[in-house]
Amino acid sequence: KAGVTQTPRYLIKTRGQQVTLSCSPISGHRSVSWYQQTPGQGLQFLFEYFSETQRNKGNFPGRFSGRQFSNSRSEMNVSTLELGDSALYLCASSLETRTYEQYFGPGTRLTVT
Amino acid sequence: AQKVTQAQTEISVVEKEDVTLDCVYETRDTTYYLFWYKQPPSGELVFLIRRNSFDEQNEISGRYSWNFQKSTSSFNFTITASQVVDSAVYFCALEAASGTYKYIFGTGTRLKVLA
Repeated sequence: KAGVTQTPRYLIKTRGQQVTLSCSPISGHRSVSWYQQTPGQGLQFLFEYFSETQRNKGNFPGRFSGRQFSNSRSEMNVSTLELGDSALYLCASSLETRTYEQYFGPGTRLTVT
Repeated sequence: AQKVTQAQTEISVVEKEDVTLDCVYETRDTTYYLFWYKQPPSGELVFLIRRNSFDEQNEISGRYSWNFQKSTSSFNFTITASQVVDSAVYFCALEAASGTYKYIFGTGTRLKVLA
């Protein structure tokens, strides 16, 4: 069974630009969650999508958005990038809700210059 | 408010030693879930265990064991006879079944197992 895949793995962007990250969950998993990991703030929950609907959202500004497609694939978008958005963005999928175990992808390392 | 505290930032042990990673949580919910994840140097988080608040039974899986104590709001993780491959950052996480379902991670404990 293929694991969670994230593309791209590495990305370098300039302040003010926008970026879209992609996540393909494990086949059959309907829940996709996104997390931001930084040395200073640790792992922080961004949002969760289930059946194409955003079910929960963490404490992040509106510049961070996402969506989920009918095949459960998910994208995350960050607009007007700031230096502080440099982080490892992790996607996780689970069978139903996040109270089930989550399976994480390798992450996308975003660097904002 | 919900919170997860992993007070041990970094632990170093010699191979074959036993080591316990501490996790203390805070929540007002009566229904909640606790998790442990491992993040090896490759960076990919690996699920280790999930425990709901109504199940205080300790669990053992090979060299890994978990001690859940609601009385002290702790969910500690012990590795017996540690191995170099256990070197990683370990995260404890909490999710409450009510409210906004925020999934809270601790700051992690970096475990270094020396040969």
